[in-house]
Amino acid sequence: DAGVIQSPRHEVTEMGQEVTLRCKPISGHNSLFWYRQTMMRGLELLIYFNNNVPIDDSGMPEDRFSAKMPNASFSTLKIQPSEPRDSAVYFCASSKNQPQHFGDGTRLSIL
Amino acid sequence: QQQVKQSPQSLIVQKGGISIINCAYENTAFDYFPWYQQFPGKGPALLIAIRPDVSEKKEGRFTISFNKSAKQFSLHIMDSQPGDSATYFCAANNYGQNFVFGPGTRLSVLP
Repeated sequence: DAGVIQSPRHEVTEMGQEVTLRCKPISGHNSLFWYRQTMMRGLELLIYFNNNVPIDDSGMPEDRFSAKMPNASFSTLKIQPSEPRDSAVYFCASSKNQPQHFGDGTRLSIL
Repeated sequence: QQQVKQSPQSLIVQKGGISIINCAYENTAFDYFPWYQQFPGKGPALLIAIRPDVSEKKEGRFTISFNKSAKQFSLHIMDSQPGDSATYFCAANNYGQNFVFGPGTRLSVLP
């Protein structure tokens, strides 16, 4: 079975540019989660969806961050405009009840 | 009440030794307690999980011990190997709700 697929794996861009991260969850999973991981703050939940509907976006740091899930097989996390402090590894995870399955992440560097 | 505490932050063990990582939670509504293993450049991967109706679960060299009254659970890695060197996260979940992750433990197994 294919796992959670994230793209791109690496992204390097200049401050102020728009960044779009993509995620394809495991087929049949009905919950999708976006996390950010840094050395300082560990694994932080940004937002999660249940049946394509955002349930909790309290972890989204500010209005520059937005996430969508237009259908059960695709989600995006967008940062506009990007800032150097957004540099981190962003993970997408999906689940059907329990447990969560993670993708291999997108390593984002904002110069 | 949603927090999961994890200790130690880092752990160094000799090959063949026992690695022990501890976690504690507050929310008695949690009903699922997984452990994740993360290697550099990869996403967290489910290692082993337990529900509160049992006190211990063993899979190969990995054992979860669960103490419901103390609201604590721990991961034991028997006969630790250099290939076990990774970051380990405990987590807790209430069915239908989000997963709450501990801050992680970096394990180094010396050859």
